[in-house]
Amino acid sequence: AQTVTQSQPEMSVQEAETVTLSCTYDTSESNYYLFWYKQPPSRQMILVIRQEAYKQQNATENRFSVNFQKAAKSFSLKISDSQLGDTAMYFCAFMKHQYNFNKFYFGSGTKLNVKP
Amino acid sequence: ETGVTQSPTHLIKTRGQQVTLRCSSQSGHNTVSWYQQALGQGPQFIFQYYREEENGRGNFPPRFSGLQFPNYSSELNVNALELDDSALYLCASSSRELGGAFFGQGTRLTVV
Repeated sequence: AQTVTQSQPEMSVQEAETVTLSCTYDTSESNYYLFWYKQPPSRQMILVIRQEAYKQQNATENRFSVNFQKAAKSFSLKISDSQLGDTAMYFCAFMKHQYNFNKFYFGSGTKLNVKP
Repeated sequence: ETGVTQSPTHLIKTRGQQVTLRCSSQSGHNTVSWYQQALGQGPQFIFQYYREEENGRGNFPPRFSGLQFPNYSSELNVNALELDDSALYLCASSSRELGGAFFGQGTRLTVV
């Protein structure tokens, strides 16, 4: 079974500063995806960044980057130059690479507050 | 905007009643999954439909059932509603090539 753990229920950061959200996971699979999703009060789950486990290079998307440590089963999200619009719940998620089957395992989330 | 739309956005039902939630998947996506997100928790997988067939199910009782139509839109039906069914229900649309999914904005179900 796969599990995803987010140990930081809530975090705060000043606008323009950098913050790192932590995520660990447990799996016996070798081929999988990892994701960070953002859920603002509007409730829509928005994809922030995706990492394929077979790729050693850490994914980046503008101000968002990850630190993927496969051996340690760690997948942290770094947000640079934080903006007020980054305030949201952030969920780390795991998905096994499987033909025509996309089941996500989500962590419990980290609430990020960006302060002006 | 992801192109995945859910209806209704909010719903209040009485314990014991039945409810149907709807999801229109993104164009070109033939797979739809449903998730239940209780307050303060991460989403939990209910089931997935691929080309009108259920091809995976999470730890939910049989009173949670679904359908997928030829246009790949989907319904989630819940019978004999219980208070614990109160949650945000999310629909996720995907395809084989996507390696992920796009989510709708969810339906907030309250059971009283």
